[in-house]
Amino acid sequence: DSGVTQTPKHLITATGQRVTLRCSPRSGDLSVYWYQQSLDQGLQFLIQYYNGEERAKGNILERFSAQQFPDLHSELNLSSLELGDSALYFCASSPPRGNGEQYFGPGTRLTVT
Amino acid sequence: AQTVTQSQPEMSVQEAETVTLSCTYDTSESNYYLFWYKQPPSRQMILVIRQEAYKQQNATENRFSVNFQKAAKSFSLKISDSQLGDTAMYFCAFMKSNNNDMRFGAGTRLTVKP
Repeated sequence: DSGVTQTPKHLITATGQRVTLRCSPRSGDLSVYWYQQSLDQGLQFLIQYYNGEERAKGNILERFSAQQFPDLHSELNLSSLELGDSALYFCASSPPRGNGEQYFGPGTRLTVT
Repeated sequence: AQTVTQSQPEMSVQEAETVTLSCTYDTSESNYYLFWYKQPPSRQMILVIRQEAYKQQNATENRFSVNFQKAAKSFSLKISDSQLGDTAMYFCAFMKSNNNDMRFGAGTRLTVKP
């Protein structure tokens, strides 16, 4: 158990819908990262927040957005869902003075039908 | 852009034997981190080992060790005394020291056979 929690574990929804994935980082960690793992694209970095502010952006679609709240939990919002958005979405967190390591949550499995 | 290449899609090893997983990367940076993550069937991503590029000494974590060749941009993972629980996908990852955009390789599926 990494200490990073994600809810829900599984999500099944239809095309065109909108969902919200939630992540709570490890105690003391200020950074939260979101990743997408799909069969064809592998593991891809989406976005990072540090203490409430966006810090880095990766291959995140415009239909996707994220935020980090004052209590440091983060939400990833996926809208106008397409079949290709079906994937495992991971959240990770890292300590403020770490050496680059990131600790991953168990992931949310999103299935778009 | 940084790329990470894992040239072995699948590997297998007998229990108690040693196996080495390959990873190469491409970067013009001098300061960066390299990682190996394990993803068992549970799909949880587990940090196995980490290496800072400025350190010449190869990192070791119990049965796991790396062979870091900075000039060759190579970062292989050696698993000694392989155990059935080592069966998993193994991902090599790269991250610049001033940027938290972690780049992953495509992964190597390792099967430990009894």
